[in-house]
Amino acid sequence: EDKVVQSPLSLVVHEGDTVTLNCSYEVTNFRSLLWYKQEKKAPTFLFMLTSSGIEKKSGRLSSILDKKELSSILNITATQTGDSAIYLCAFTNDYKLSFGAGTTVTVRA
Amino acid sequence: DAMVIQNPRYQVTQFGKPVTLSCSQTLNHNVMYWYQQKSSQAPKLLFHYYDKDFNNEADTPDNFQSRRPNTSFCFLDIRSPGLGDAAMYLCATSRPTAMNTEAFFGQGTRLTVV
Repeated sequence: EDKVVQSPLSLVVHEGDTVTLNCSYEVTNFRSLLWYKQEKKAPTFLFMLTSSGIEKKSGRLSSILDKKELSSILNITATQTGDSAIYLCAFTNDYKLSFGAGTTVTVRA
Repeated sequence: DAMVIQNPRYQVTQFGKPVTLSCSQTLNHNVMYWYQQKSSQAPKLLFHYYDKDFNNEADTPDNFQSRRPNTSFCFLDIRSPGLGDAAMYLCATSRPTAMNTEAFFGQGTRLTVV
């Protein structure tokens, strides 16, 4: 059965800290791994990763995929209170998009 | 410039009374998804369409049905809503290619069952 596991499930940090979120997967016919940010509304797209070892960056966020280890990390540097959200890792295979349980990040001022 | 539109944003229905949620898209994407998301949980895939090809998740209850009359529209029918079906229902679309499988989400419909 395909699955994706995120860790930690939740964490609390202070503004300015760096956060590293993990996502590991066991997926047949793997096509891509995606990261989404969800506040009190629908998920918003952050990154899509298909190739191992190529870092994607957007401002203070970055992500990389390791196909050998079947995992991905999402880094957030210099965290701000606006980064407080649930971060969802998802995989696609056979055109399905399925989510992990998410990591709840709380950034305290 | 909304690209994936869900109606209504909020829906209150009575226990056991059939309800239909709708989703429309202007992206001409061939894949459409329906997710159920309960409080503090990740979105759970109910089913998806690849063009007209319907794909049901094994653990989606029979109470949930879907229709896709054309590329732009997709409906989620809940035949007899129970209290446990109260959730946010998210519609998403994608046009998978070798290089891109990003999904675009609507704003969701929050369903309350009374």
